[in-house]
Order: sequence, then C-alpha cells, then structure tokens
Amino acid sequence: RKEVEQDPGPFNVPEGATVAFNCTYSNSASQSFFWYRQDCRKEPKLLMSVYSSGNEDGRFTAQLNRASQYISLLIRDSKLSDSATYLCAVNEGWNDYKLSFGAGTTVTVRA
Amino acid sequence: EAQVTQNPRYLITVTGKKLTVTCSQNMNHEYMSWYRQDPGLGLRQIYYSMNVEVTDKGDVPEGYKVSRKEKRNFPLILESPSPNQTSLYFCASRGLQGRNYGYTFGSGTRLTVV
Repeated sequence: RKEVEQDPGPFNVPEGATVAFNCTYSNSASQSFFWYRQDCRKEPKLLMSVYSSGNEDGRFTAQLNRASQYISLLIRDSKLSDSATYLCAVNEGWNDYKLSFGAGTTVTVRA
Repeated sequence: EAQVTQNPRYLITVTGKKLTVTCSQNMNHEYMSWYRQDPGLGLRQIYYSMNVEVTDKGDVPEGYKVSRKEKRNFPLILESPSPNQTSLYFCASRGLQGRNYGYTFGSGTRLTVV
C-alpha cells in the first residue's frame, strides 16, 4: 500500500463551482500535512499546511481527519487559474525529513 | 530573492556518463532533499540531508549519490546513468523551524538518458 494516495481525477468543474478531494495516508504517526499546487510539470509550490483544527486560506479550506487518516482540500468559487494538479504531502511519522507525496489530483476549471 | 536553484534545467546524456545536478539554496536552510517525478508515480524522495555532512536515503536511492559539504549546496550525482533514470528531478529545502512550512522546491531538472 502506498504511503499517500490521491484520487487522480480529473475533476472538471465550471467556474464558480466548489470542488473537494481527499488524500489518504497510511502512517498513523504522521505529524505534518501539506497541500501543494503544481502547474504543468513545473515545481510544486506550497499551497497550505494542514492543521489539526482545519484551516482556511481565502477560497481554500484544508481539513485533517486523524481517525480516518485523510486530509482534504476544498476550493470554493473556482477560478480558471485554479486549474492545476494538487499534491498532498505527509511526513513519515516522527521523521520530519521524509516527506511523501501523493501522485496528485488534477483539477480543470472551465469557463 | 529566497530561492532554490538547480542546474542544468535540461540535460540529455548517454548511458554510463557520469553527471552531477547542482542544487543551491540561499535561505540558510538545514534540510535539503532530492525528488524525482515520474508520470503516475508522483514525487519520490531520493536522498535527504538534515545538515552539513548528514545525509540519508529516501525511497529510491539506488543509482544516486549525494554530498553535503556546505550548508547551501546539495548536489545529486549519477555515477553511471541508465535510461530508467530519465525523469524530472527536483531539489527542495526547508528550515529547521519550518515544520509547518513544507519544502521550497527548485525549478526542476529534466534529465534524459539515452
């Protein structure tokens, strides 16, 4: 079983829609969780960290569910510029240096 | 500007010819890491370094070497490249206190081994 798994999508949504997707992780001792955005094979860029209590950054909301071992990302009021691949990243238990990534969820926002 | 710089951006080489991909960061970060990205497999960690002279294997270290002689530099060495090392490579760094800030990535090196 992979450390971190994501639904690859693609999620095709109209502008203004809400889209949400999850990422599951296998190591119950993981402590750090992140969402990255990657455009067309460019470098991943940190979108947001995911905190235990959940957190919001503008139109983006991230949640952590430790019991079921998944994190989620919700994008409200989707913009064309939100079209990208979203990668989740999870550290490997107490090893802070080892960050494992999911293969990514592709989101396409259409006009 | 705070950044991670990789060179070269693109490289085509032949099987068996040793090569080095350089990585440098100007943020005084302790942690540095190399990843490769392949379609359908996502980012996989090759090696990581916790500080100068301290490195450890990631998930796919075979065929690669690294060194960390200076804090800012973390080169990736392919002693004898093979076609299965054709991939997109990313270097990344993170500060000691940056647990909740994740890694900052370089722009990537697209390597083709023929």
